[in-house]
This record gives sequence, C-alpha cells and structure tokens, in this order.
Amino acid sequence: GENVEQHPSTLSVQEGDSAVIKCTYSDSASNYFPWYKQELGKGPQLIIDIRSNVGEKKDQRIAVTLNKTAKHFSLHITETQPEDSAVYFCAAIGGGSEKLVFGKGTKLTVNP
Amino acid sequence: EPEVTQTPSHQVTQMGQEVILRCVPISNHLYFYWYRQILGQKVEFLVSFYNNEISEKSEIFDDQFSVERPDGSNFTLKIRSTKLEDSAMYFCASSGTFRDYGYTFGSGTRLTVV
Repeated sequence: GENVEQHPSTLSVQEGDSAVIKCTYSDSASNYFPWYKQELGKGPQLIIDIRSNVGEKKDQRIAVTLNKTAKHFSLHITETQPEDSAVYFCAAIGGGSEKLVFGKGTKLTVNP
Repeated sequence: EPEVTQTPSHQVTQMGQEVILRCVPISNHLYFYWYRQILGQKVEFLVSFYNNEISEKSEIFDDQFSVERPDGSNFTLKIRSTKLEDSAMYFCASSGTFRDYGYTFGSGTRLTVV
C-alpha cells in the first residue's frame, strides 16, 4: 500500500522567511496530494491540495509542487507569520482507494 | 463555514468498557470517515462509510470496531471492549462526493483508556 514520508519533523524559521516541507510517496497510482494544518486542540484543516495532472499550485503565500517522476511533493510557505506556527501534514490518496495516507507531520515554529 | 462536530472532546474509560464516539458531519455530505492519531504518530485511516455501509476499512478496524449512521445527522464509532492501545485522538471527517477528496475534519475526540 501507499507510504508517505515527511521531512523535516520540526522546522523553526524567522518571521518573514520561507518554509519548505517535503514529502515522498511510494504508490505511483496516487493521484491526490493534500496538505493539512493542525493547530493545538483542532482537527486537520486543508490548506492546499494538488492532483496528479498538475505540477504546481499556488494560493497567496502557500504553494505546492509535485514531481510525479520522483514521487515527491513539497509545501512552500513564503513570508511566514507567527500564526503559521502549527503542525503540517502531507497526505496522499492512492489509485482505487478512498483513504488518506498521512506523513508524520512537521511542527513549524515561526519566531517573531 | 460548515463544520464537522465531534462529541465528546475527551473521554476517559476503563479497559474493557464500550465507548461510542459521536460525529455530526456536514449536512449535505455523503461520505464519512474515521481516522485516529496515537500520540506522536501518524494520522491513520480506520474506515469509510457511504450509503449506509462500509466502503473501505483498514487492518486496524477489526471486530471490536463498528460504525453506524443511526439517523440522518449522526455518524458514530463504537469500540466494544476498549484496550489500552485504543487510546488516541479520533477524528471524524466527511466529504461531499466520491473522489472529490474535499475532506472536512472534526476537532477530534481524545480517548483515554485506563
């Protein structure tokens, strides 16, 4: 089945800097790759997603890139703000399945 | 914005007891899911539910687990005889259409088995 690896596990940046989180997946049939933000005491919240027929997607300060050949995808946050501090999860859905397979998460800290 | 509501937020139970975790999905959603997250580990898929039946389940979802949509609004996860290793955060999610993948997650129920 699908396996998703995520790096780094923790990331600390200064306010205004960029943050990059990377994930790899194992199932070449996977076709949907969402990113979730989880704040303390809350459930995962979808912040951006990308499908396998697209290489890059951007939404204001957040962008996601997908390299299907290498089977990896990345989250880019520019001009980070303290409120971006949270745990970020990548996930993938394999072909023929409904289930999200999550990475282990990255704890992002944005220092003022 | 529509929300998925989960109750209770925290439940403590004795080992061997039955627990029911409750969820109210978004009203026009048709696909319902349960995931769990053991402290410090990945969020793991448990089960998906559509049209009043299980459509997919993981190896974790054994005979001790069951799901039900008892009425038009609630979606429940029952654990018949809890074990210490069932202690985790349980998340309910719903989505509108198949392969839409626009999951909305609830805030979770923290289950502690003692």
